[in-house]
Amino acid sequence: NFMLTQPHSVSESPGKTVTISCTRSSGSIASNYVQWYQQRPGSSPTTVIYEDNQRPSGVPDRFSGSIDSSSNSASLTISGLKTEDEADYYCQSYDSSTWVFGGGTKLTVL
Amino acid sequence: EVQLVESGGGLVKPGGSLRLSCAASGFTFSSYSMNWVRQAPGKGLEWVSSISSSSSYIYYADSVKGRFTISRDNAKNSLYLQMNSLRAEDTAVYYCARPIGWGQGTLVTVSS
Repeated sequence: NFMLTQPHSVSESPGKTVTISCTRSSGSIASNYVQWYQQRPGSSPTTVIYEDNQRPSGVPDRFSGSIDSSSNSASLTISGLKTEDEADYYCQSYDSSTWVFGGGTKLTVL
Repeated sequence: EVQLVESGGGLVKPGGSLRLSCAASGFTFSSYSMNWVRQAPGKGLEWVSSISSSSSYIYYADSVKGRFTISRDNAKNSLYLQMNSLRAEDTAVYYCARPIGWGQGTLVTVSS
C-alpha cells in the first residue's frame, strides 16, 4: 500500500502558472498511471489529465501533467490561470487494481 | 461523450440497506472496468469498489468489505452498488466513475 501526498492549498494570481505536486510514498510513481481531477464547488469531479499527461477532449492545453521519478511525484501544471480554475484538484493512481487518491489541493486564484 | 447517471440515494437508518444504480452511455460500457467513489461532506474522495469489464474481478475498500456488493449488467449498460448494514460514516455523495468520466453523484445519508 502507498499514499499520495498533495499540498493542502496553493494560491496564485490570474495569468500566472501554478504547479500542484503529488508525491507517492512507496513504489515508483512511474509504475502506475496518474490521473488528475478538478472539482469546482458544488460540482462533481471532472478529469483534466489521464495516463500521466493526456488531456481529455475539451480540456484546454493550459493544463499539463508530468511525472518525475527523481522526486517520485506527479505534477499538474496550469498556465495562464483564470478565475474559473479555482477548484479542488485530486491526483489518483492505482495500487494493484484499486484506486488511491491524494488528499486534494485547494487552488485559489486571486 | 461519456455520460454516467447515478440514482438510488436517499435517507436510510443505521443498519439499513440501499441500492445505487449508474446508467452509462456514450461509450462501450462492456469494455471498461467501473468504479464507485464516495465523498463525505467536506472531505476528499475515497475509492469504494471496482469491477472489471466482465465482472471477473471485484475489489472493495476495507471500510466497506463484507457490507457492500458491486455488480454490473452489460446488457443494460448499468452499474450497481448494494449497500447493507449502513453506518453513519457511510454518509456521502456516491459517484460512478471511470478515469475519464464521472457521474453527477447521488447522496446517501445514514441517520436515525
